[in-house]
Amino acid sequence: GAVVSQHPSWVICKSGTSVKIECRSLDFQATTMFWYRQFPKQSLMLMATSNEGSKATYEQGVEKDKFLINHASLTLSTLTVTSAHPEDSSFYICSASETGEKLFFGSGTQLSVL
Amino acid sequence: GESVGLHLPTLSVQEGDNSIINCAYSNSASDYFIWYKQESGKGPQFIIDIRSNMDKRQGQRVTVLLNKTVKHLSLQIAATQPGDSAVYFCADTTSGTYKYIFGTGTRLKVLA
Repeated sequence: GAVVSQHPSWVICKSGTSVKIECRSLDFQATTMFWYRQFPKQSLMLMATSNEGSKATYEQGVEKDKFLINHASLTLSTLTVTSAHPEDSSFYICSASETGEKLFFGSGTQLSVL
Repeated sequence: GESVGLHLPTLSVQEGDNSIINCAYSNSASDYFIWYKQESGKGPQFIIDIRSNMDKRQGQRVTVLLNKTVKHLSLQIAATQPGDSAVYFCADTTSGTYKYIFGTGTRLKVLA
């Protein structure tokens, strides 16, 4: 199946700093990628849909200025958590689809903000 | 699936037994369904999918059943093994929309 690579796997940062998470589709092109947030023992919560060459579409309640998304190429989308605070600590996951159906996920990034 | 942010229900099964994990979805327009397995600290892993023109599909040790009448999806795992312990999510979408709805997930615990 298609491979989606996410980096880093985990990151610890100080409050007030920004963190960038990368999501790459390794063997296919993805015009659309998705970013999710997952709290412990809960399901995936869609944060935004990342569209190559255009602005991301954010879900209701997700601050676009807080979670900056850039989809500069057909194989790379980045999520930047700006001015991170402890409440932003979470597991962030990206996904992509080559065909618009079968969705493949990255390995996730555990963010801990001190 | 319907994700309401609740804590995950748990299914405990004895090693070697069959497991059945259920999922309800709400969008009658959904025509494509996927089951994912998520191990702790990892991203969801694709297990099996099914289109709405089918009601059953089999993979290796797994079977997905789709009942469109009651908007219900199930995942059957035969001869459950310790490595099957994980959280299982269903997801549904309408083809071409790129909009997926995830279920709340079920934690499967395999007892030795």
